[in-house]
Amino acid sequence: GAVVSQHPSRVICKSGTSVKIECRSLDFQATTMFWYRQFPKQSLMLMATSNEGSKATYEQGVEKDKFLINHASLTLSTLTVTSAHPEDSSFYICSAPRAGGPSTDTQYFGPGTRLTVL
Amino acid sequence: AQKITQTQPGMFVQEKEAVTLDCTYDTSDPSYGLFWYKQPSSGEMIFLIYQGSYDQQNATEGRYSLNFQKARKSANLVISASQLGDSAMYFCAMREGTFGNEKLTFGTGTRLTIIP
Repeated sequence: GAVVSQHPSRVICKSGTSVKIECRSLDFQATTMFWYRQFPKQSLMLMATSNEGSKATYEQGVEKDKFLINHASLTLSTLTVTSAHPEDSSFYICSAPRAGGPSTDTQYFGPGTRLTVL
Repeated sequence: AQKITQTQPGMFVQEKEAVTLDCTYDTSDPSYGLFWYKQPSSGEMIFLIYQGSYDQQNATEGRYSLNFQKARKSANLVISASQLGDSAMYFCAMREGTFGNEKLTFGTGTRLTIIP
């Protein structure tokens, strides 16, 4: 079964509003989670690394003031898209490394959130 | 330079045939991990198989196997006896460095379509 959940799965909002996306590890603790963005028919691009108890680490070119990340607990990370605009419309997907898999840190992904900004 | 290269944007394969999805990578780090994920139209990323840079044997998971050729820096995914449900996007990804640096770099993906 799923080991990482995301909520909501789909959201439509008006331009200028803020949208919060939650990512939860279901049966394990994750001190680190990752947020990716995927445009239609493209690959996943890492946006930022969410760290429990400390600031997130953003990839080059990602605006940290626009994409706020909070790792509130060992099982929850949130991504808030502030003042969303149509160009922020995308598929946002989180992942968390889980020990005990084939690799010491196999990443398991949430089901993703499709954001549409009107 | 691309760290992960998938040269096949799309492939069509007859049901029950085997299929090989290509992946080459570029890294100077002696320690790395290679992953394959499947993404159906629903969007979820499903972990398929993992190969560590120090693993002596090619990884296998059911119908999935990874043809790891370290000298050529290739990590091709082989799916045996393909099924209609195998139709999806397939991404190759790499983690560089040791545990504690879990960031993944993804290739551009291959869209696999299984023909009945």
